[in-house]
Amino acid sequence: SQQGEEDPQALSIQEGENATMNCSYKTSINNLQWYRQNSGRGLVHLILIRSNEREKHSGRLRVTLDTSKKSSSLLITASRAADTASYFCAPGSSNDYKLSFGAGTTVTVRA
Amino acid sequence: EPEVTQTPSHQVTQMGQEVILRCVPISNHLYFYWYRQILGQKVEFLVSFYNNEISEKSEIFDDQFSVERPDGSNFTLKIRSTKLEDSAMYFCASRTSVYNEQFFGPGTRLTVL
Repeated sequence: SQQGEEDPQALSIQEGENATMNCSYKTSINNLQWYRQNSGRGLVHLILIRSNEREKHSGRLRVTLDTSKKSSSLLITASRAADTASYFCAPGSSNDYKLSFGAGTTVTVRA
Repeated sequence: EPEVTQTPSHQVTQMGQEVILRCVPISNHLYFYWYRQILGQKVEFLVSFYNNEISEKSEIFDDQFSVERPDGSNFTLKIRSTKLEDSAMYFCASRTSVYNEQFFGPGTRLTVL
């Protein structure tokens, strides 16, 4: 399977600000998932966007997908201290069962 | 909302001992996975399991590792003779199909002394 590459590696923002992170991948996909991991904890599934979708919302999260550029973005609006975590993207294809994870984007929300 | 559960949350063992990590996937899911994360490193795939057999395994998943679905609800990972380098968080995951979301459990922290 292919691993997504998240950018930036780290992001520090003030509470209330928006946070945007990007994911790039190399080969065609069926879908792409975003996950959050708080320090020392499990991976929490945030959102899945399919290859025929361009944008998807869930609460304060907005995910976009541009298959022509092989990239996705995750926007967190009106950030809170609880959003402090690492965020990972996981591209998925129909002939590959597993997910591969990169180093993620570490987001720190300052009070 | 249904979730993947794992027990124990923390396991401490002596080098050379056998450990069994347990997972209860979400009930209507068909694909099951184990991943691990060594402290400070990336989450790594270990093995996937479908239709009562291993569908794929990584090079980490050597003869010391085995998985089993002993009944309709549990999914276990056994490490036969633990090594210091097996110390990590182990995550179980499940999904209904390869086209859908993969949900992870909270993890078991394995410490090998």
